[in-house]
Parts: sequence; structure tokens; C-alpha cells
Amino acid sequence: AQKVTQAQTEISVVEKEDVTLDCVYETRDTTYYLFWYKQPPSGELVFLIRRNSFDEQNEISGRYSWNFQKSTSSFNFTITASQVVDSAVYFCALSEYNRDDKIIFGKGTRLHILP
Amino acid sequence: GAGVSQSPSNKVTEKGKDVELRCDPISGHTALYWYRQSLGQGLEFLIYFQGNSAPDKSGLPSDRFSAERTGGSVSTLTIQRTQQEDSAVYLCASSYRPLNSPLHFGNGTRLTVT
Repeated sequence: AQKVTQAQTEISVVEKEDVTLDCVYETRDTTYYLFWYKQPPSGELVFLIRRNSFDEQNEISGRYSWNFQKSTSSFNFTITASQVVDSAVYFCALSEYNRDDKIIFGKGTRLHILP
Repeated sequence: GAGVSQSPSNKVTEKGKDVELRCDPISGHTALYWYRQSLGQGLEFLIYFQGNSAPDKSGLPSDRFSAERTGGSVSTLTIQRTQQEDSAVYLCASSYRPLNSPLHFGNGTRLTVT
């Protein structure tokens, strides 16, 4: 069965610190997709990244980077030199190819960046 | 262009009453999802429509919940005999094909059952 675990419920860091948000997933499929979404205080969820199970290359986008490791079923998200605007709830999600694109989300990690 | 539109944005209802929540997806999007977000509970999957296929209803919490999607476009989520535990934000999202494109979320309907 699909499952996404975000063990960190809430994290607080001081501005400019680096922070890593953990995501561990469970799936029986060999083909699947992983996602990260951001929900700022305004409430609207915003897509950040999609990664398929055959692409284990890490990705960097500005201050954001993602570390996908199939061996540990993890898809962690790192923010470098955090800023107050990064304060939000971050969700990791999983879609199994054989489940007709059903997307399951983790419970989210609430990130507070303190000035 | 227009994003995913949900109405009403807020709904307060008395316990036991029925409510209907509406979602207008982005034009042309074949996939439509309903999620529920309760405090501290993350995003709980409710139901998923994809094109003309039968919907995946596996996330509906009870038979008081139902949803339909007419003409492959607008969707309505109905909650019958509402209970206080139904209070939450109900989010709708749409996509061309989720695996190849991101979900676009609406702003949600905040439901409060008194």
C-alpha cells in the first residue's frame, strides 16, 4: 500500500540556517512518482518538484535541493540559507503508476523560519 | 488563465444538515481530486476522478460522503447528516495527468459544523 511518512511535525530554525525536511515512503511498485508541495500561510498549495522512481539524480533549484535515495525509500528536501518567506507547511507525496495516478500525501512538516 | 475555483469559501452548518461543496477545475484538466485537511492531519485523500474511468472512492470516510463529476468538468462533494468531526478544509485539485504535470489546487472550502 502507498504510504508517506513525514516524521517531523514542526521545525523551527533561525534565518540563514540550513534545514532538511525528511520524507520516507512505502510502495510495492517499481514505477512511482514523488512530489513536494508547499503551503504558505495564505493556504494555497504550490507544487515544488516531481521525481520519478527511475531518476535518482539529486536536484538543485536555487536554495532548494532534493535527495532521492531508493535504498532508504527517502526523498528529503533541504533549504539552504533559509529565509522567513520559506515559512510554510511542506508536504511530500507519492503516486504509484499502477494505482491510476492516485496521489497520497504525508501529514506535512510545519517550518518556522525565525528572523 | 483561471485556476481551480471552489465554492463556497466558507460554510457554517448545523450538525445533521447536508452540505454541497463545489469545484470548478481548470478547463481541459482530466484528473480531479478531493482532499480534506484537518488540523494536524495533513492532506487526507477522499476521492479521485480521471477522465471517464470509474472514480477511486477509497478515501471517503463514510457513506455520508459522496461526490460526482458532471460532464468531466465540475465536481460536487456532498456530505449528508454532517457531524462535528467533518469540520475541516476541503481542497480540490485538478491536472491534465498527475504523473506528468503538477496538481493545481483551489483555495478550499472551510467547513464548520456546529
